[in-house]
Amino acid sequence: AQTVTQSQPEMSVQEAETVTLSCTYDTSESDYYLFWYKQPPSRQMILVIRQEAYKQQNATENRFSVNFQKAAKSFSLKISDSQLGDAAMYFCAYRSAFTTDKLIFGTGTRLQVFP
Amino acid sequence: EAGVTQFPSHSVIEKGQTVTLRCDPISGHDNLYWYRRVMGKEIKFLLHFVKESKQDESGMPNNRFLAERTGGTYSTLKVQPAELEDSGVYFCASSQLWTGPTEAFFGQGTRLTVV
Repeated sequence: AQTVTQSQPEMSVQEAETVTLSCTYDTSESDYYLFWYKQPPSRQMILVIRQEAYKQQNATENRFSVNFQKAAKSFSLKISDSQLGDAAMYFCAYRSAFTTDKLIFGTGTRLQVFP
Repeated sequence: EAGVTQFPSHSVIEKGQTVTLRCDPISGHDNLYWYRRVMGKEIKFLLHFVKESKQDESGMPNNRFLAERTGGTYSTLKVQPAELEDSGVYFCASSQLWTGPTEAFFGQGTRLTVV
């Protein structure tokens, strides 16, 4: 069975600085999708960025980028120029490309942003 | 366009009572998922509807949980009778029906507390 591990329960960063959130996963599948979701306090979870495992190039969305290391099964999220609005719970998630549509989540990382 | 909406946002019930959670997916989304996050743990998959059919209900914890999706539109998740361990945040998500890294759109969740 696939698993997702987020080893950082909490992280903090100062405004305008850069922070990296860690995520590792375990799977025997060759093709899959990886996601980072953000959940601000009392608000909906939204997709931040996604990566398709067959693509070698790391995904980037504005200030958000990932470091996808397929061999190491690592999928970290880098947030550049952090803003107060980035404060949220961040969840890493895995989805098989073959078997099922369900997402497998990690335990989440709470990110605090200080002015 | 309205997003995924969930009712109620909070519910506090006594052990042994019944609670029904409702999810209205984005219009036109055939996929509907229920997930649950118990305090401090990962978000876990409960079940997946494709239109009105249950595609995967492997995550349903036991027969006290009953999910329905009337006419392929909104869905309800009933817990009867509720136990203390059912406390947590219940998320609903919906997505379009196609293969690939379809983005799942989440509701803001229903926080269920069983006392």
